[in-house]
Amino acid sequence: EIVLTQSPGTLSLSPGERATLSCRASQTLSSSYLAWYQQKPGQAPRLLIYYASTRAPGIPARFSGSGSGTEFTLTISGLQSEDIAVYYCQQFNNWPPAFGQGTKVEIK
Amino acid sequence: QVQLVQSGAEVKKPGASVKVSCRASGYTFTNYYMHWVRQAPGQGLEWMGVINPSGGTTGDAQNFQGRITMTRDTSTSTVYMELTSLRSEDTAVYYCARGQGYTSSWFDNWGQGTLVTVSS
Repeated sequence: EIVLTQSPGTLSLSPGERATLSCRASQTLSSSYLAWYQQKPGQAPRLLIYYASTRAPGIPARFSGSGSGTEFTLTISGLQSEDIAVYYCQQFNNWPPAFGQGTKVEIK
Repeated sequence: QVQLVQSGAEVKKPGASVKVSCRASGYTFTNYYMHWVRQAPGQGLEWMGVINPSGGTTGDAQNFQGRITMTRDTSTSTVYMELTSLRSEDTAVYYCARGQGYTSSWFDNWGQGTLVTVSS
């Protein structure tokens, strides 16, 4: 099974700053089979990015994904108060699909 | 628009079973797979299993083998997930999530979640 490790556990930034979230896979993900989700308190997760860098419909341009192989990054350019959430990465390269443990983004 | 509407919260005793439903609308039900993901209180996301609404084929995570059954009713565009032999560790919010594929899939739409509480 592929294990995803996200870092940092918590990110505390001021509005307008850039947030950089990392996701490391225990094995190479072919074809960048990685997705990112945002989960706000009391809500279901929302798909942000799939295939490592493709934004889902309706997702603001300040969210971008990059990376390949075993190292992936979610960047939020210009953090806004509504971006306070936990962010999860998910691999769909191997069975079973698996999620990272999450990164919590807070506003300073 | 795509909507996945799940059944309401449940309280069960240890050893009992629970059946959660997920009704889909806004798209062709048999064209997408339906996955189940759960989240224990304060914890991360755990993938449980998948059903192909077209043929009914299912697959599940090793952690749940023997305890999980997924079915579907194409006449009402509804999928069901039944978990048996419940224990306190099964207390969680259970989500259905629409997937593009059976094995290689991201999840583009999610249900609102169903809280299942297991307590004596």
